[in-house]
Amino acid sequence: DAGVIQSPRHEVTEMGQEVTLRCKPISGHDYLFWYRQTMMRGLELLIYFNNNVPIDDSGMPEDRFSAKMPNASFSTLKIQPSEPRDSAVYFCASTRDRDVGELFFGEGSRLTVL
Amino acid sequence: GQQLNQSPQSMFIQEGEDVSMNCTSSSIFNTWLWYKQDPGEGPVLLIALYKAGELTSNGRLTAQFGITRKDSFLNISASIPSDVGIYFCARTRGAGSYQLTFGKGTKLSVIP
Repeated sequence: DAGVIQSPRHEVTEMGQEVTLRCKPISGHDYLFWYRQTMMRGLELLIYFNNNVPIDDSGMPEDRFSAKMPNASFSTLKIQPSEPRDSAVYFCASTRDRDVGELFFGEGSRLTVL
Repeated sequence: GQQLNQSPQSMFIQEGEDVSMNCTSSSIFNTWLWYKQDPGEGPVLLIALYKAGELTSNGRLTAQFGITRKDSFLNISASIPSDVGIYFCARTRGAGSYQLTFGKGTKLSVIP
């Protein structure tokens, strides 16, 4: 079975540009998470969805960040406008109702904002 | 109180040596999880612990859920080069919660 699929793997953009990161969770998983990883702050939960509905977005840094899950097989994380401090690796992860604690992570999207 | 403190931050060991790392918190938790992140990849679950005092093994890996429910350790026996990576402890935010909070990680380097 395919794992969590993220795109792009790498993105380099200039400050002020819009960035869209994409995620396809594992089929059958009803929870989807967006995490951000930096050297300074480690892995931080940004937002998570259950059955396509955002449950907790308290980790989203500010209004420049938004996330959507229009259907069970697709989610996006958008940053507009991007800033250099947004540079990080963004991970998408999914899990199913009975697997508390076991998240399946994608390979991540490494974002560099110049 | 909800932070997880991992130690050491990094370690360099010779191939074949045993490794021990731990995670502590000032709060009591119901679940301890250990993940490993290979370079350029996302974290992968190694071991999950659900009961105080529980000792669980997965091949060369052994992890224990501390009796006080405030700590956990992970041991790796007879390390090999592919053990290189970052090891994270994690916990759920509450009973039945699907949200995980991660420690800052222990970076392991294995010298052949």
